[in-house]
Amino acid sequence: AQSVTQPDIHITVSEGASLELRCNYSYGATPYLFWYVQSPGQGLQLLLKYFSGDTLVQGIKGFEAEFKRSQSSFNLRKPSVHWSDAAEYFCAVVPSGTYKYIFGTGTRLKVLA
Amino acid sequence: GAVVSQHPSRVICKSGTSVKIECRSLDFQATTMFWYRQFPKQSLMLMATSNEGSKATYEQGVEKDKFLINHASLTLSTLTVTSAHPEDSSFYICSAREPPQGTSGYEQYFGPGTRLTVT
Repeated sequence: AQSVTQPDIHITVSEGASLELRCNYSYGATPYLFWYVQSPGQGLQLLLKYFSGDTLVQGIKGFEAEFKRSQSSFNLRKPSVHWSDAAEYFCAVVPSGTYKYIFGTGTRLKVLA
Repeated sequence: GAVVSQHPSRVICKSGTSVKIECRSLDFQATTMFWYRQFPKQSLMLMATSNEGSKATYEQGVEKDKFLINHASLTLSTLTVTSAHPEDSSFYICSAREPPQGTSGYEQYFGPGTRLTVT
């Protein structure tokens, strides 16, 4: 079945440590890919997106993501996490031929001081 | 650019009443708007897609008579929860997309959400 998977429901890292949030999708053709962040009680803020071209995408707040076609993955990374990065992170996919988002289940990030 | 607003941000209503939530694209024309529902600590669930000037398309399992969606203009869509019950309490988020032009039409811009509590 077509799906978007974020394997880690919760992740806890120490402030200053590196971070990688995983996102895998199961669609035949390469979809459009997005990462969003949501603070409690807030809407979604776009961190970065991938449509085509360079597979390493730079986003806001020091985040980057790498698209790996062979692994059907679009993992989000940050070299040094700040306490303010604590939030919920959603990977979203727009399958080829559609315009609807398919969201992953989200990863809740906790940052230890 | 590409700002989407929602009003109200929070609403409390009594069981059996109806409540309307507005979603506006402030600086672009949105041919398509989407309504999502989010339960605590869960992901976003697409409820319906609305296109300006036409009837909304509802996802499977969403009661169209309970969740009335109107997209009367290119900048405004409304969601009306009719005869609300406590189980309708949730966080409702709208999004909008620009007319398809290359890849720009595939990105959705999200509103800040509306917290509905039905007592």
